[in-house]
Amino acid sequence: EADIYQTPRYLVIGTGKKITLECSQTMGHDKMYWYQQDPGMELHLIHYSYGVNSTEKGDLSSESTVSRIRTEHFPLTLESARPSHTSQYLCASSELRPGQGLEQFFGPGTRLTVL
Amino acid sequence: KQEVTQIPAALSVPEGENLVLNCSFTDSAIYNLQWFRQDPGKGLTSLLLIQSSQREQTSGRLNASLDKSSGRSTLYIAASQPGDSATYLCAVRPADSWGKLQFGAGTQVVVTP
Repeated sequence: EADIYQTPRYLVIGTGKKITLECSQTMGHDKMYWYQQDPGMELHLIHYSYGVNSTEKGDLSSESTVSRIRTEHFPLTLESARPSHTSQYLCASSELRPGQGLEQFFGPGTRLTVL
Repeated sequence: KQEVTQIPAALSVPEGENLVLNCSFTDSAIYNLQWFRQDPGKGLTSLLLIQSSQREQTSGRLNASLDKSSGRSTLYIAASQPGDSATYLCAVRPADSWGKLQFGAGTQVVVTP
């Protein structure tokens, strides 16, 4: 089982502020992901990374940016938060299981509220 | 584009009954399929992972089957307990998108004492 840490767990912030959501994993997984999930709704992939210095946009357009300078760390940044960014943000990483392929593990999430 | 559907969207059963949760996908070219559990306001917990060449996986009271040719997977939870109340999500990893999962909307389960 992977250990994936997200901080902060809850964040309430005013419009226009710059924020960074932290995500780190201790298992040395190459692949990491950010998802956005509104209450009671589906998960949407917004960013992913297949390794250091590799980042790609996901299926859902997002105004956020990500970086991957170290294997274990995959922070997400919003330069200017808006109420439309209010959502839960989930970080994940995946591990190659012998004979079974990639298995994905999730962090506990960050619930962001922009006033 | 791969689409994943979960039926029913919500399910309520009395404690002790067996749960049957369905997942269907439109493109049978998948790498593997993963079942997750999500408690309200929390992250996802991986329950079972089934490789495309496998027919089923079991863990304790949980059993997941996979019929790739018909695009279906079923999660069985035996002898349900109130602690099984959660949303269960099915996700497939398309064969042409090695890293990325495609999620269903989930089935919200309530087990009443």
